[in-house]
Amino acid sequence: QSALTQPASVSGSPGQSITISCTGTSSDVGTYDLVSWYQKYPGKAPKLIIYEVTKRPSGVSNRFSGSKSGNTASLTISGLQAEDEADYYCWSYAGSRSLVIFGGGTKLTVL
Amino acid sequence: QLQLQESGPRLVKPSETLSLACSVSGGSIKSSTYYWAWIRQSPGKGLEWIGSINSGGTSYYNPSLKSRVSMSVDTSKNQFSLRLSSVTAADAAVYYCAAGEYSYGIWGQGTLVPVSS
Repeated sequence: QSALTQPASVSGSPGQSITISCTGTSSDVGTYDLVSWYQKYPGKAPKLIIYEVTKRPSGVSNRFSGSKSGNTASLTISGLQAEDEADYYCWSYAGSRSLVIFGGGTKLTVL
Repeated sequence: QLQLQESGPRLVKPSETLSLACSVSGGSIKSSTYYWAWIRQSPGKGLEWIGSINSGGTSYYNPSLKSRVSMSVDTSKNQFSLRLSSVTAADAAVYYCAAGEYSYGIWGQGTLVPVSS
């Protein structure tokens, strides 16, 4: 069981779009459309922003979108805003309730 | 709408057992199809899934922690619990309880658990 691979950091200017990748294997991301993304501010609980690869929970801005190609899932944030500066984690079901894996997290910096 | 709240000791000593509870409000833990999970974040590190349990008591644990972890559900108190034995400094973290099916849409605020003698 290995963690999903995310870039340690990404950055962008206000108004731009950025994409965070989440690379797994054919045993998890590549097989199941059960990737979710979480936004986490320091000292706060994570917040679900994308589930089942592309779906947004009620109340989450449509500037957040998810996709998947092969063993890699992606989170795109468009129209970057200062408030988007946070850590982002991906998560994938891996075929068993006992195999649940998070990515290492990506720190987004808004320049 | 479901809400979660963690409770437990403010400090745990090395080699002792960490015990946390997560109270569920706004709905019944018994009637939900959710899996109830524990997730932690050690200082400076990423999120780590500890395990999850359903209302029927079927539990699943992170293989790396499996030998030290147990979870349970108390439907009479509408809460679920975590026990982590033989703790070391590496277990010091913010512990979150969370709920969902294949993603975790509901989270507690988290509780910081230091490990120190």
